[in-house]
Amino acid sequence: GENVEQHPSTLSVQEGDSAVIKCTYSDSASNYFPWYKQELGKRPQLIIDIRSNVGEKKDQRIAVTLNKTAKHFSLHITETQPEDSAVYFCAARPPGAGSYQLTFGKGTKLSVIP
Amino acid sequence: SAVISQKPSRDICQRGTSLTIQCQVDSQVTMMFWYRQQPGQSLTLIATANQGSEATYESGFVIDKFPISRPNLTFSTLTVSNMSPEDSSIYLCSVMTALYGYTFGSGTRLTVV
Repeated sequence: GENVEQHPSTLSVQEGDSAVIKCTYSDSASNYFPWYKQELGKRPQLIIDIRSNVGEKKDQRIAVTLNKTAKHFSLHITETQPEDSAVYFCAARPPGAGSYQLTFGKGTKLSVIP
Repeated sequence: SAVISQKPSRDICQRGTSLTIQCQVDSQVTMMFWYRQQPGQSLTLIATANQGSEATYESGFVIDKFPISRPNLTFSTLTVSNMSPEDSSIYLCSVMTALYGYTFGSGTRLTVV
């Protein structure tokens, strides 16, 4: 099955700096890659996603890049703010008849220092 | 996005008992999933809840321990049976829609004593 590796496990940045979180996946046929933000005690919230036919997607301060050849994708957060502090999870969805399950990375705890 | 109501939000249960968690969606959805998230950990898929047929379980999860019902396209239940302290975790339901991708319920925090 699909395996998703996520790095780093913890990340501290100064407010205003950029943060980058990287994930690699094992199944080259995976076609959907969402990113979730989970604040303490709350549900995971989708913040951005990308499909395999796109190399990059941006939404204000958040961007995701996908390198299908290398089987990795990254989350970029620019101009970080204290409210960006949370755990971020990447995920991948391998294709398959009737298969829609997401496989998650282990998460990155981002701390933005004011 | 799809609005998901999950209950109970938390419970403390005695070992050996069972707890049923409910997940109600405000619109019809084809795909519903149940996840477990242990403290400080990632999300692990328990099963896909299939409407009108038996759930599809992931490796390490069995129907006798985690029976799932899916009577229609807006509702599902997960039962945690014969609980032990190792079952203490957060359980989340999730739905997939074409428009909003995958969204999660607010979770059920289960403590088994």
